[in-house]
Order: sequence, then structure tokens, then C-alpha cells
Amino acid sequence: GQNIDQPTEMTATEGAIVQINCTYQTSGFNGLFWYQQHAGEAPTFLSYNVLDGLEEKGRFSSFLSRSKGYSYLLLKELQMKDSASYLCAAMDSNYQLIWGAGTKLIIKP
Amino acid sequence: DVKVTQSSRYLVKRTGEKVFLECVQDMDHENMFWYRQDPGLGLRLIYFSYDVKMKEKGDIPEGYSVSREKKERFSLILESASTNQTSMYLCASSSGQGTTDTQYFGPGTRLTVL
Repeated sequence: GQNIDQPTEMTATEGAIVQINCTYQTSGFNGLFWYQQHAGEAPTFLSYNVLDGLEEKGRFSSFLSRSKGYSYLLLKELQMKDSASYLCAAMDSNYQLIWGAGTKLIIKP
Repeated sequence: DVKVTQSSRYLVKRTGEKVFLECVQDMDHENMFWYRQDPGLGLRLIYFSYDVKMKEKGDIPEGYSVSREKKERFSLILESASTNQTSMYLCASSSGQGTTDTQYFGPGTRLTVL
């Protein structure tokens, strides 16, 4: 079956770095998406990886290892506004997104 | 900027009522999606559409139907609402071009069925 696993909740300190991991099993693979979702709001696109390696976008970076079925989202210089849920989604061979349950990130001052 | 709007942010209905949730996108996107989001679960796809008048079942279509009469509008219909359909409903659209086909979401409709 198809499956996405990510931690339910993480806590980090303002100004620090946090890494949110995601493992996936899909029928075929056409890329890995990360979305951010603040409470009560819509998910917003953060990143897309289809090749192995690290993609950096400002304070946020995303990494993919296709051979390991593994991705992570790295957030640097954490700010209070980064408190949100982070959703991992893998695109399968039919170009459908398989979604993880999301990781709730709590930032403490 | 892509804009996806949904007809209501909050909706309260009674068991057995017919419920319409509307979604409109303004970016001429080919693809539109309806998901539900429940605590502890990932987004679950209900229906999607790749073109006008075209629809495909997602993972949990039972109890729902959809309509896409115009490219920009995708409606989700609960024929006879039940309490287990209480959920957050999210509409999304994507261009349908290429594999990096990012989905853009509306603000969501929180539906409560009493």
C-alpha cells in the first residue's frame, strides 16, 4: 500500500534549527511536496523535490533521497510565525498526491 | 497570485440535508480537487476533475458527488449529510501541466453535521 510517515508533533526554540522528517512508500514516484498550514488556514506550498539532494529556499531547505524513500524539511533561524503544521506529500505514478498526517511544530520563545 | 475561493468558511447542517460546497479558481487551471481533512489523518481525496464535465473518484467518494459545469468552478455535493461527514473540506486547483504540478488550496469549509 501507499504510506507517508512523519512525526505528529515537534517543539523547537525561537532562533534554532529544526528538521522534520518524512518517509514514503508509493506506487511509482513523481516528486515530494512540502506544505505549511497554519491553524484554521489553507495549506500553502513550500517546496518540491524530484531529484536527490538539497533544495534551499531562504530559511527553508528540503532534502530528498529516492533510494531511501526519505525527505526532510529544514527550518533555520526559527521565528514564532513558523508555528504551524507541515505536511509532506508524495506524488505517485498516477500523479496523485499521497498525504502525510502533518507535523505540528511548536516554537517556544 | 493564484486565488482559490470557497463559498463558506463555516457551515452547520442537519442530518439528511443536501449540502453544496462551491469552489472557484481564477487561474484557468485544468485540475480541481476536493479533499477532507480530519485530525490525525492526512488529506484524503474525495473527487477530482481534469476538465469541464469530467470527474474521477478519489479515495473516499462514498456519500459525495461533484459537478464541474465551468472550468473555474467545482462543486462538492453531499446528497444526504451524515454526522460522519463533519470535517474540514478543502478545495485545490493545479495547472495540469508537467509533473511539478503544484496544488493551490482554498481557505477551507468547516462543516458540522448535527
